[in-house]
Amino acid sequence: DQQVKQNSPSLSVQEGRISILNCDYTNSMFDYFLWYKKYPAEGPTFLISISSIKDKNEDGRFTVFLNKSAKHLSLHIVPSQPGDSAVYFCAATLKTSYDKVIFGPGTSLSVIP
Amino acid sequence: KAGVTQTPRYLIKTRGQQVTLSCSPISGHRSVSWYQQTPGQGLQFLFEYFSETQRNKGNFPGRFSGRQFSNSRSEMNVSTLELGDSALYLCASSLNGEAFFGQGTRLTVV
Repeated sequence: DQQVKQNSPSLSVQEGRISILNCDYTNSMFDYFLWYKKYPAEGPTFLISISSIKDKNEDGRFTVFLNKSAKHLSLHIVPSQPGDSAVYFCAATLKTSYDKVIFGPGTSLSVIP
Repeated sequence: KAGVTQTPRYLIKTRGQQVTLSCSPISGHRSVSWYQQTPGQGLQFLFEYFSETQRNKGNFPGRFSGRQFSNSRSEMNVSTLELGDSALYLCASSLNGEAFFGQGTRLTVV
């Protein structure tokens, strides 16, 4: 059973517009959430994270929103740039095991110039 | 601090052969996870090792196995390779809620 879900396998956005990537989770024990970005032929790299005690975290063009009641988080990229084209993975960790990170299947973002 | 190191970076094998991939985690990280990435499939979790014990396993056949050594280095083995095993295999080491990935091993089965 997939505990972290990203229901959109792909997304296309015009340059300069907002990209919104969504993620849902099923385990209410998760208390720390992360987004990773992956370019082809490279390993994923950490992008931004949020603790369950917050509902928003911002870092430059990237903002992550967390809705605990809905078990939903989203990553907003504003404005989107062609270099943002990559696969984005949502991930979560359990309170009982901070060493274990559970990943969603990823969303491929294409930013069109 | 050195990152996660995976060897080899590229590998070509024929069907029926077996392969062993290696992963050296970041120093101090005891958790090592393996993932398979194929086009359109995202990251598929293979298994996770912690202190030399397999702590979690994904939905892959028994041909996929792994182990972890006392220095936290991990190996993944795939026996009786099939064409569908062609993928990027990623290793990640984790500490305090953050995973760090290696660059992966690109396996091609012909």
